[in-house]
This record gives sequence, C-alpha cells and structure tokens, in this order.
Amino acid sequence: AQKITQTQPGMFVQEKEAVTLDCTYDTSDPSYGLFWYKQPSSGEMIFLIYQGSYDQQNATEGRYSLNFQKARKSANLVISASQLGDSAMYFCAMFGPYSGAGSYQLTFGKGTKLSVIP
Amino acid sequence: DVKVTQSSRYLVKRTGEKVFLECVQDMDHENMFWYRQDPGLGLRLIYFSYDVKMKEKGDIPEGYSVSREKKERFSLILESASTNQTSMYLCASSTRTGENSPLHFGNGTRLTVT
Repeated sequence: AQKITQTQPGMFVQEKEAVTLDCTYDTSDPSYGLFWYKQPSSGEMIFLIYQGSYDQQNATEGRYSLNFQKARKSANLVISASQLGDSAMYFCAMFGPYSGAGSYQLTFGKGTKLSVIP
Repeated sequence: DVKVTQSSRYLVKRTGEKVFLECVQDMDHENMFWYRQDPGLGLRLIYFSYDVKMKEKGDIPEGYSVSREKKERFSLILESASTNQTSMYLCASSTRTGENSPLHFGNGTRLTVT
C-alpha cells in the first residue's frame, strides 16, 4: 500500500529565504506520480507541482521545485525566495492505489504548516 | 480553468439529521472524490466515483454514502449525522488520463454536528 510521510508538522522561514519541506514515500509500484498541494487558511487546495517516477529531471514551477531522490524515496518541495503569501499548509501526495477503470486515488501526507516571518 | 463547486461553505446540523453535501464540476471529468480533513490526520478518502452511477469505498466510508446520477455532480450523504463527523469535507475531480492527472479541489465545506 502507498504511504506518504511528512515529518515536519510546522516550519518557520524568514521572508526571501528558501525553505525545504520534506516528503518520503513508500510504494511497491514501479510507476507512480508525486504531487504537492498548498492549502491557505481559506481552505482551498491548490495544485503546485508534479513529478513522475520516470522523469529524468526534477520538476520546477516558478519558485517551486521538487528535489526528487528516487533511491531514497523522497520528494522534497523547495520554495525559493519565500513570500508572506506562502504561509499555508503544504501536502505531499502520491497516486495510488489503483482504483480500477483506469483511475487512481491520491494518498496524502499529514501536511506541514509553513509560516513565513517578515 | 477547472471549477469544482461545493454547495455550502459552512453547515451546522444536529445529531441524527440526514445531511447532503453537494459537489459540481464543470470540466467533464470522469473521476470525482470526497475527502475528509481533520487536524493532524491529513486528508482521508471517503468515497470516489470513476463514472456515472459507479462508486467505490475509500479508506473511511463508514457512516457515509454517495450518489452520482450525473457526470458533473457527486453528492456525499450522512444518513444520520454524528458529532464525530464534524470536519472539513473536500470534493475533488480529475480526468481519467493516468498517473499525472492532478486532482482539482473545491473550497471545502466545514460541517459542524451538534
């Protein structure tokens, strides 16, 4: 069964600094996908970035990058040049298990609360 | 842009009431999901559907049922609400195109059962 572990319940970072949010995963599937979502205090879940298990390069989306280390089964999110608006909960998620009819569920970690300090 | 709309932002119900949470998506997505979010527990899957009239149990289906009569609408039903069902409920949808299809979420319904 898939499992996602986020070991940092809360993190603080100074504005304009970079921060890394940790995520490790466990799966027996050779092919899988990893996602990061942001949840501000307003509650909506915002998709940030995706990494496929066969992707040769680490995914990047603007100030977000994913440090993917397949052998270590880790997919850490790096936010560069933190902004006050980055304060939110961040969730790592993995596709699986397979749901049938070509569809997949998403399994989520418990999240990391990031606070950006001015 | 994909839009997933949940009918209520906040809901207060009494123990024993039948509760309906409605979710509508406008992007013709095949898959729809209901998650429950609680502090310290993350998101847990209640039910999902990969086609009209199809439903599958997630990790915590007890006390819930679902209905998907039309492709764009997925309803979560609490047959007899209990206080331990006080939570944030998140609906999501995705296309059936493989492992790289992100889920698109609604804004959530915060349900309080008193």
